[in-house]
Amino acid sequence: GEDVEQSLFLSVREGDSSVINCTYTDSSSTYLYWYKQEPGAGLQLLTYIFSNMDMKQDQRLTVLLNKKDKHLSLRIADTQTGDSAIYFCAETDGGATNKLIFGTGTLLAVQP
Amino acid sequence: ETGVTQSPTHLIKTRGQQVTLRCSSQSGHNTVSWYQQALGQGPQFIFQYYREEENGRGNFPPRFSGLQFPNYSSELNVNALELDDSALYLCASSSPGQGRETQYFGPGTRLLVL
Repeated sequence: GEDVEQSLFLSVREGDSSVINCTYTDSSSTYLYWYKQEPGAGLQLLTYIFSNMDMKQDQRLTVLLNKKDKHLSLRIADTQTGDSAIYFCAETDGGATNKLIFGTGTLLAVQP
Repeated sequence: ETGVTQSPTHLIKTRGQQVTLRCSSQSGHNTVSWYQQALGQGPQFIFQYYREEENGRGNFPPRFSGLQFPNYSSELNVNALELDDSALYLCASSSPGQGRETQYFGPGTRLLVL
C-alpha cells in the first residue's frame, strides 16, 4: 500500500547542514514534495522534484531522489534557527486526484 | 496572486454538533483538496473537489461532506462530531491538467471537539 516514512527528529547546530530523509512506496508518483510546517501553522511548499530527475537545487535546498531505492532527501545548507520546524515529505498517489500522501514529519531543531 | 485562505482559524464544538469550515482557493486554481491533520501526524486526505464535483475521497465516513462553488471556493461539513475529529483541517488548491498539479495549502482551521 501507500506509505511514506521519515525519521521523527533531527537536531543540528546553526550553520551546519541538515539532511532529512524519507522513503516512499508508490513508484507511480509523478512529483515528490517537501513541505515545512511551523508551530500552529499550515503547510508551506518548500520544493518539489519531478520523478525523472535525480537532483534539484534551489538556493540553500538540495533534493536528492533515488528512484530505485524509493528514497528522497532534503539537504538544507547553512541551517538557521528560522529553519526549526516540522518537515513533511509527500508523494502523490498517481491517481485521478493526485492526492498527497504524507509522512509523519521530521522535527528539525536548530541549536544556536 | 491571492493565496489560499481558510475560516475560521479556530473553533470549539461539542460532541454531536455539526461544523462548517470554509476555504478560498488561490486565484486561477479550480481544484480544492481537504486534509485532516491530527496532533503529531501528517495530513490525511479527506476528499477533493474539481469543478463543483467530488473527484475522489479518502477513508473518511459519509458524515464528512463538502461543496465547491462556481468561484471554486469550498466548504467542508462534518456532522455528528466525535472527539477524534479534533484536528487541524487544511485545504489545498491546485490546477491539475495544466502541468501545475502542485497543491498550495491554507493556514488551516483548528477544531477542538469537547
